[in-house]
Amino acid sequence: RKEVEQDPGPFNVPEGATVAFNCTYSNSASQSFFWYRQDCRKEPKLLMSVYSSGNEDGRFTAQLNRASQYISLLIRDSKLSDSATYLCVVLDSWGKLQFGAGTQVVVTP
Amino acid sequence: ETGVTQTPRHLVMGMTNKKSLKCEQHLGHNAMYWYKQSAKKPLELMFVYSLEERVENNSVPSRFSPECPNSSHLFLHLHTLQPEDSALYLCASSQDGWGTGDDGYTFGSGTRLTVV
Repeated sequence: RKEVEQDPGPFNVPEGATVAFNCTYSNSASQSFFWYRQDCRKEPKLLMSVYSSGNEDGRFTAQLNRASQYISLLIRDSKLSDSATYLCVVLDSWGKLQFGAGTQVVVTP
Repeated sequence: ETGVTQTPRHLVMGMTNKKSLKCEQHLGHNAMYWYKQSAKKPLELMFVYSLEERVENNSVPSRFSPECPNSSHLFLHLHTLQPEDSALYLCASSQDGWGTGDDGYTFGSGTRLTVV
């Protein structure tokens, strides 16, 4: 079983719409959670950390559900520039960062 | 331009060649990493250097050899690679040992390696 699983997508989203997707993790003792963004043929960049109480950064909202072992990312009012692959990253109980394979989001005009 | 610079950006090498990838960070970070990214797969951690201590992933073949001469530079020496080693190789750095600080990892732009 993979440590971190994501729906690869693509999620095709009309500009201005809302899109949300989840990531599940297998290690219940995982400590920290992050979303990274990776543009095509570019390096990943930290988008936001995910806190237990949920957190928001502009149009982006991240949630953590420890009971069901998943985190989510919601993007409101999607922009064309939001098109990217979103990587779910989990710090496991052995202190290692585990990356998901990513969820591709395509925002269309 | 990120604070982590990787060279070369692209590399094509034969299976009998020896080459090296270079990574340099100007962020004053304490930890540096090599990751391999293959298409549609998660990033695979290859090597970690944290405060000059190397943590090695046991599943990395010996044809990959890291070198960290100081806290700002990291190399990945390649020899007798296989076609399945073709991938994007990403260097990253972080302030703390596992990139869990507020700034997370800073990645370089990567070296796209093709083994022919």
